[in-house]
Amino acid sequence: KAGVTQTPRYLIKTRGQQVTLSCSPISGHRSVSWYQQTPGQGLQFLFEYFSETQRNKGNFPGRFSGRQFSNSRSEMNVSTLELGDSALYLCASTGTEGSNEQFFGPGTRLTVL
Amino acid sequence: SQQGEEDPQALSIQEGENATMNCSYKTSINNLQWYRQNSGRGLVHLILIRSNEREKHSGRLRVTLDTSKKSSSLLITASRAADTASYFCATLTGNQFYFGTGTSLTVIP
Repeated sequence: KAGVTQTPRYLIKTRGQQVTLSCSPISGHRSVSWYQQTPGQGLQFLFEYFSETQRNKGNFPGRFSGRQFSNSRSEMNVSTLELGDSALYLCASTGTEGSNEQFFGPGTRLTVL
Repeated sequence: SQQGEEDPQALSIQEGENATMNCSYKTSINNLQWYRQNSGRGLVHLILIRSNEREKHSGRLRVTLDTSKKSSSLLITASRAADTASYFCATLTGNQFYFGTGTSLTVIP
């Protein structure tokens, strides 16, 4: 079974630009969560999608948004990038009910200049 | 914030020694999980302990949970250089995961 994949792996943007990151969960997994990881703040929960609906949302500004497609692939978008958005963005998928284990992708390293 | 705190922040031990790291959290939980992260990469699930369990073992890992103190500990026995990584606890409350701040473990060969 293929693992969680994220594209791109590395990204460099400038302030004010917008970015879209993609995540393909493990086949059969319907829940996808996104996290932002920075040295100062640690792992911060962004949002979770389940069956194309946002089920949970963390405490991030509206510049951060996401969506999930019918094949469970998910994208997150950050508009009007700020320097502080530089981080490792991790996506995780969760399997069927009763299994709470999250399977993480390798992450997308975003650098905002 | 419902984020947990881990202690110590960093730990350095010799190969073969045991490593213990602790996690404290703030709210009631469904379960608590431990993850490992190698530098700059994704997290790997290690072990899950449910709120009605007190101790769990998996290979060289031993996890305890004290819900009255809202704390958990992860013990890695007979450590190896390959155990060098950051370790995070994560609590599941409702449908949302909350991660701790992490413990950076260095195992010296």
